[in-house]
Amino acid sequence: EIVLTQSPATLSLSPGERATLSCRASQSVSGYLAWYQQKPGQAPRLLIYDASNRATGIPARFSGSGSGTDFTLTISSLEPEDFAVYYCQHRSYWPPGFGQGTRLEIK
Amino acid sequence: EVQLLESGGGLIQPGGSLGLSCAASGFTFSNYAMTWVRQAPGKGLEWVSGISASGGTTYYADSVKGRFTISRDNSKKTVSLQMNSLTAEDTAVYYCAKGYSTQTTAPIGSWGRGTLVTVSS
Repeated sequence: EIVLTQSPATLSLSPGERATLSCRASQSVSGYLAWYQQKPGQAPRLLIYDASNRATGIPARFSGSGSGTDFTLTISSLEPEDFAVYYCQHRSYWPPGFGQGTRLEIK
Repeated sequence: EVQLLESGGGLIQPGGSLGLSCAASGFTFSNYAMTWVRQAPGKGLEWVSGISASGGTTYYADSVKGRFTISRDNSKKTVSLQMNSLTAEDTAVYYCAKGYSTQTTAPIGSWGRGTLVTVSS
């Protein structure tokens, strides 16, 4: 089973700053890595799929990069609504597991 | 607009059984694999089970294999999760989810609001 490790666990930043979130896989997942955003009391929302493709309706400030075992989600300039929990997920092998999440909080 | 509406959650005693159902609308249901994902209170996401578009192939997380059964009815546009031998570790919000594309392993593009399952005596 592939294990996804996200870092940092918590990231404290201010609006307008750049956020960089990391997801590392225990073995290669090729480019089959997705990122989700979850706000309190809501279902997750797909942001990025296949490492670098923005899902429909996702603002351009969200970008993804990486391949193999190391992936990054970048938010270029934080908006107030971006403070949430972010999860990565692979779909390379069954089961398609999730990382443990990074909490992005307002500094 | 894609809509996924879960039902069937509630309070159940340890060792009991519960069935969840998800009614889908707004897309061609028979073209998409469907998934159940759960989230224990205050915890992260856990993929639970998936079923191919035709229903011919099913997948389970090790934590539920042998206890949970996923099924679908393409004529009724519903997907179900039968859960047996429930334990406290199964307490979670259960989300019904649809792939972003028609690939069986597609990332999740649409989620229901979730239904809470609480296993407690």
